[in-house]
Formats: sequence, structure tokens, C-alpha cells
Amino acid sequence: QQPVQSPQAVILREGEDAVINCSSSKALYSVHWYRQKHGEAPVFLMILLKGGEQKGHEKISASFNEKKQQSSLYLTASQLSYSGTYFCGTAEAGYGNKLVFGAGTILRVKS
Amino acid sequence: KAGVTQTPRYLIKTRGQQVTLSCSPISGHRSVSWYQQTPGQGLQFLFEYFSETQRNKGNFPGRFSGRQFSNSRSEMNVSTLELGDSALYLCASSFGQGAEAFFGQGTRLTVV
Repeated sequence: QQPVQSPQAVILREGEDAVINCSSSKALYSVHWYRQKHGEAPVFLMILLKGGEQKGHEKISASFNEKKQQSSLYLTASQLSYSGTYFCGTAEAGYGNKLVFGAGTILRVKS
Repeated sequence: KAGVTQTPRYLIKTRGQQVTLSCSPISGHRSVSWYQQTPGQGLQFLFEYFSETQRNKGNFPGRFSGRQFSNSRSEMNVSTLELGDSALYLCASSFGQGAEAFFGQGTRLTVV
């Protein structure tokens, strides 16, 4: 069962902030966030692990609530380059690197 | 450090044919996962290989298969192609569980 992402789409003006949420019904080991632009491959943004460790880009922040199996990606002071589709991928313990992806959140930043 | 390399980038095949796609992971990465991306179904996990062994498998028919070589390079094969197999096939390489997974540029397969 795939994680649920919200919102499905969001439009921002440059400089505005956004939060993208990812919720799973499974007990997660890790949550991965990616951004994909049209015609390109997904680009790694952030990984959050059970236990609190996280790795990712300096300008991206995210959280992982292990009790609720929810993660949020925080995009602050958005830039035009932030436009794209954001995916969360979730992994369960014992399933190696199998990621189950949400349907994606389309983000458009306007000038 | 070189990224994940997938070949070919584009492929057009006829229904009923078979196809082999290749993925070279980032140096030092032993895990390679394959995904199918379509507008209707999104990103779906096909299988993962780690140290030449299939570690996980998604819900795809047996026409989809893969393997991994001792140098961690991986191939996936689709036999008896169907129109519905048209998709972007992505591979992701990772050092191991709990590590970042990086995607290649993908192979765009069109079945006619």
C-alpha cells in the first residue's frame, strides 16, 4: 500500500514557503524524498531514518514522526528552481532498499 | 564521482519482442533497484539486487526479470513485450539499507 502524499498540487510565489506531507500505514524504517522535473530522473533530497538520523541537502529540511509514520518536507523561501514533482518513498525494516512511492506532489513556483 | 548510468536512454520495440536494459551503479554501491514509472501507476518497484542476489521483488509478472553481476552492474529483461510495458525504467543505486538511493537517467521504452 503506497504512502499518501498531500497536497496533490501547490502553487507558490517566489519566496513563499510550503510543506509537503507523506503518511504511511506501515511501520517505517526510513523515508526518502525526491524531486523530479519533467523528462528527468528523480533527484535525491533527503533521507530520514528511524531513530532520528537524517541526511540530505543543506537547504532542505524535513521531519519524521515515527509514532504516526508521517513525514513532512519543508520548502522555505522557494525559488523558481524548486518547481517539480516531489515524491516520498518509504521503506520498511527487513525489506532492504525497496521503496514504495507516493503519487507525488506537483509544486509550481511562479515569479 | 560518476553517477548511475543507464543504457540505452531510449528504446522502441515491437509487441512480442524482448528487451534488456542495463544499469551501472555508483562505484562502491552494491544495491541496485529497478522501478517502472508510468503516468497512470506512478513509480513502482520492480526488484532489488544486492551482491548478485535478488533481495526483494515487486508485484510484476514473471516476464520481468533481472540479474546483477559481480561488479554490481545490473540488467533487467522484459520478455514478450506488451503495449502496457511502455514506461520509463529507472534504476537506483545505494550503498545499503538506510543509505541514500540515487537514480539514473532512465531508459524510455516504447512498445509499438
